Amino acid sequence: SSELTQDPAVSVALGQTVRITCQGDSLRSYYASWYQQKPGQAPVLVIYGKNNRPSGIPDRFSGSSSGNTASLTITGAQAEDEADYYCNSRDSSGNHNVVFGGGTKLTVL
Amino acid sequence: EVQLVESGGGLVQPGGSLRLSCAASGFTFSSYWMSWVRQAPGKGLEWVANIKQDGSEKYYVDSVKGRFTISRDNAKNSLYLQMNSLRAEDTAVYYCARLVLFNTFDYWGQGTLVTVSS
Repeated sequence: SSELTQDPAVSVALGQTVRITCQGDSLRSYYASWYQQKPGQAPVLVIYGKNNRPSGIPDRFSGSSSGNTASLTITGAQAEDEADYYCNSRDSSGNHNVVFGGGTKLTVL
Repeated sequence: EVQLVESGGGLVQPGGSLRLSCAASGFTFSSYWMSWVRQAPGKGLEWVANIKQDGSEKYYVDSVKGRFTISRDNAKNSLYLQMNSLRAEDTAVYYCARLVLFNTFDYWGQGTLVTVSS
């Protein structure tokens, strides 16, 4: 199995740029996907693959990857971006398992 | 519009069983891998199981192997999770999700709460 590590909490001033990171060995082989979850709601996919946004996701959300680290960047954070963010990836063991990071609570100040 | 609607959650005693269902609509269900993901109260997301389009391949997180069984009925556009020998640590909201590109869950249901307690 493998693990993905995220900072528990990050804050950003309204309108500024914030980067949320995800580290793990599996990210050397597989892209991360990123999900936004607001209280009491189901997660929503915001970034997948190299840097793809599903329909309806604002272009202020972007993704990148280097080595064992994947990043989600929000350029010009809005109040409605305050949420928990989770990364996930395929397990690097060569099986079909999936792993999630522990999540990052984003506060917009 | 893609819709995933879970049902079957509830309160069950430790050691008991429960069967979750997920009704899918708005897409060709038989063309996609499907998954269950859970979230314990106040905790993060945890992948539980995947099933291939025709049900021929199934994968589970280690903590549920031998106790949970994922299945599907493509004729009914439905996904299931049979949960046996339930433990307190299985208490969580269980989400049904569509799986693409190995690890991307592009659509999620609203979740169903399973509480394991005496």
